[in-house]
Amino acid sequence: AQTVTQSQPEMSVQEAETVTLSCTYDTSESNYYLFWYKQPPSRQMILVIRQEAYKQQNATENRFSVNFQKAAKSFSLKISDSQLGDTAMYFCAFFMDSNYQLIWGAGTKLIIKP
Amino acid sequence: DGGITQSPKYLFRKEGQNVTLSCEQNLNHDAMYWYRQDPGQGLRLIYYSQIVNDFQKGDIAEGYSVSREKKESFPLTVTSAQKNPTAFYLCASSYYRDSDGYTFGSGTRLTVV
Repeated sequence: AQTVTQSQPEMSVQEAETVTLSCTYDTSESNYYLFWYKQPPSRQMILVIRQEAYKQQNATENRFSVNFQKAAKSFSLKISDSQLGDTAMYFCAFFMDSNYQLIWGAGTKLIIKP
Repeated sequence: DGGITQSPKYLFRKEGQNVTLSCEQNLNHDAMYWYRQDPGQGLRLIYYSQIVNDFQKGDIAEGYSVSREKKESFPLTVTSAQKNPTAFYLCASSYYRDSDGYTFGSGTRLTVV
């Protein structure tokens, strides 16, 4: 069965620092997609970034970037120049073409301190 | 603007009552999903529907029921058989077999009183 593991339940950093959130997954699939979602205190789930497994290049969206290591089954999220508005729960998720569903990690609570 | 709307935002249920949570989308998405989220935890799939008039149980379907009579709508009923219904409920939608991720509603907080 496919699983997604986020090993850091909670992290906190100072504003403007860089922070990296970890995510590992387990699958025997060859074609899949990986996501990071953000859930701020409003509890609205927001897509942060998406990575296609067959692409070598790491995805980037402004201050958010990923380090995708396919062989190691690792998909970490780096937030540069962190801002107070980045305070949120961050969820890693995995999508397979074979069942068309997202498999979710348990989440990491990120606190940005002023 | 296209989006997905959940109502109500807050809902209170008495013991033994059934309650229905609404989820409507105007994104022309084929698939819709219901998740439950408990404090400090991730998302657990309750039910999902990939086409109209068809739906599948997720990981925690017991005590819940759904219908999918229209493409736009996927209401969730929390029945009296659900022993611990207090939670935050999220509805999501996507195109069928689409790998672009899900669009989420803003959620419903259900509390048993």
